[in-house]
Amino acid sequence: GAVVSQHPSWVICKSGTSVKIECRSLDFQATTMFWYRQFPKQSLMLMATSNEGSKATYEQGVEKDKFLINHASLTLSTLTVTSAHPEDSSFYICSALDRRSYEQYFGPGTRLTVT
Amino acid sequence: RKEVEQDPGPFNVPEGATVAFNCTYSNSASQSFFWYRQDCRKEPKLLMSVYSSGNEDGRFTAQLNRASQYISLLIRDSKLSDSATYLCAVNYEDTDKLIFGTGTRLQVFP
Repeated sequence: GAVVSQHPSWVICKSGTSVKIECRSLDFQATTMFWYRQFPKQSLMLMATSNEGSKATYEQGVEKDKFLINHASLTLSTLTVTSAHPEDSSFYICSALDRRSYEQYFGPGTRLTVT
Repeated sequence: RKEVEQDPGPFNVPEGATVAFNCTYSNSASQSFFWYRQDCRKEPKLLMSVYSSGNEDGRFTAQLNRASQYISLLIRDSKLSDSATYLCAVNYEDTDKLIFGTGTRLQVFP
């Protein structure tokens, strides 16, 4: 299957700082990517849909000014958590939609810890 | 009411057992249905899509009941390696978004 990478795989940062997470589709072009967040023992919660060349679409309750999404190329979307707080500590996972098969491929996730 | 609901489990079963999970969805416009497997601290991986007529892949069988708005996953002859969390996911007509259930944890013991 297709491969999606995420970087970094884990990150620890201090409160008030910003963290950027990258999501890349390695062997296909993805005009649409998705960002999810998963807290321990909970399901994946869709945060936003990232659209290449246009603004991201955020789910209800997700602050767009706090979670900045940029999808500047057909293979890269970035999520920046701004002014991070300890409650932002979570597992962030991206997925990329392969329109050849309409299958979503997930990245390996980024574990964020805010101290 | 959550859009997609699952019994969180855990389901503790011996090797060789047959186990079934159900997942209910609230939006009748849901169009596509999937089962994912997620291992601890890893990303979800697609196990199988669920088709209207039901489908089977080795020891795994998926069923869809549109009238009652639920999908099911049956695992026969459970293996230790089947221990994981099983997530159902649905997406709606005219959207690419996947909505996930909370997941059902399966633990297979020797």
